[in-house]
Amino acid sequence: RKEVEQDPGPFNVPEGATVAFNCTYSNSASQSFFWYRQDGRKEPKLLMSVYSSGNEDGRFTAQLNRASQYISLLIRDSKLSDSATYLCVVNAGNQFYFGTGTSLTVIP
Amino acid sequence: DVKVTQSSRYLVKRTGEKVFLECVQDMDHENMFWYRQDPGLGLRLIYFSYDVKMKEKGDIPEGYSVSREKKERFSLILESASTNQTSMYLCASSFFDEQFFGPGTRLTVL
Repeated sequence: RKEVEQDPGPFNVPEGATVAFNCTYSNSASQSFFWYRQDGRKEPKLLMSVYSSGNEDGRFTAQLNRASQYISLLIRDSKLSDSATYLCVVNAGNQFYFGTGTSLTVIP
Repeated sequence: DVKVTQSSRYLVKRTGEKVFLECVQDMDHENMFWYRQDPGLGLRLIYFSYDVKMKEKGDIPEGYSVSREKKERFSLILESASTNQTSMYLCASSFFDEQFFGPGTRLTVL
């Protein structure tokens, strides 16, 4: 079983839509949780950390459910510039575990 | 800003060659990592290091070795390159939680 699993998509949504990505992780001892964004062939970059209390950054909201070992990312009012691959990342000890990524294309 | 640099963006090598990929970070981070990224497989950890001269195997260390002689530099070595090592190689460093990635090296082995 993979450490982190995500729906690979692709998600194709119109501008202005709300889209949600989900991710599950298998290691109950995981300590930190993140969403990274990767544009094309560039390197991944941190989008936001994910806390049990949930956190919001503008149009982006991340949630963590430790009991279900589930992480989500919600994007409201999608923009063309949101088109990218979104990676769910879990930290356990010294190691980071990556999902395979969910591809999002926002269509005009 | 944290900066992680990698020695080459694109590299083409022949089967059997010894390949060195260099990574340097400028933020005095303890932890450094080497990943490869392949379509449909995501990022897979090759090796990581949490201190100078320390190294730990990741999920796919076979065919690779690493060297960390200085805190800021973490090198990945392909002892005898093979075609199945054609991939995007990403270096990262971290202090606590957040990882910072270099721009990647796209390696093609012919």
